Amino acid sequence: NAGVTQTPKFRILKIGQSMTLQCTQDMNHNYMYWYRQDPGMGLKLIYYSVGAGITDKGEVPNGYNVSRSTTEDFPLRLELAAPSQTSVYFCASSPRGGGSYNEQFFGPGTRLTVL
Amino acid sequence: QQQVKQSPQSLIVQKGGIPIINCAYENTAFDYFPWYQQFPGKGPALLIAIRPDVSEKKEGRFTISFNKSAKQFSLHIMDSQPGDSATYFCAASRPTGNQFYFGTGTSLTVIP
Repeated sequence: NAGVTQTPKFRILKIGQSMTLQCTQDMNHNYMYWYRQDPGMGLKLIYYSVGAGITDKGEVPNGYNVSRSTTEDFPLRLELAAPSQTSVYFCASSPRGGGSYNEQFFGPGTRLTVL
Repeated sequence: QQQVKQSPQSLIVQKGGIPIINCAYENTAFDYFPWYQQFPGKGPALLIAIRPDVSEKKEGRFTISFNKSAKQFSLHIMDSQPGDSATYFCAASRPTGNQFYFGTGTSLTVIP
């Protein structure tokens, strides 16, 4: 199993450009998440999904959009990129949302710079 | 509002020392407390986890201590090694929740 894969690994955008960060998991997990990680700020939840066709906002959703058409894929769309969106983005999946003995599996991350 | 508060933000110890990372929470509905380890350039990965019905859990050199009445839990790394240098995140989740709530992370450096 590949686990959670993300593409691209790195990207530089100009202000106002748009892009989609891809995330795929092969563990048949219902729950998927997008986080951004900034130095000293930990992991901030952007959006999450509890299954195909169902998404919900996390702590910092402004400037982002998501869709979940299949169990495997959970792309994150940035519209009109801004310097404040410079960050490392992680996708994660888990079999359940909460509860004991549950685990989130993280992808390797996408490092995005907006200039 | 940070649901799980973590300290310190960074920590430097000598090889063989015992770094301790602390976390605190307010929501008594949390019933699962994992720790994640993140190496530079990688995504976080589950290290060890505890439920509130026990006060301590050990896995190798890593120990979680849990104080339910104080709503605090901590990670201890025994005989720390340079290879333990990483960022550590504590987290918490509810039984029927949709997400984990992560602390802000601790950057640990173990000096040879």
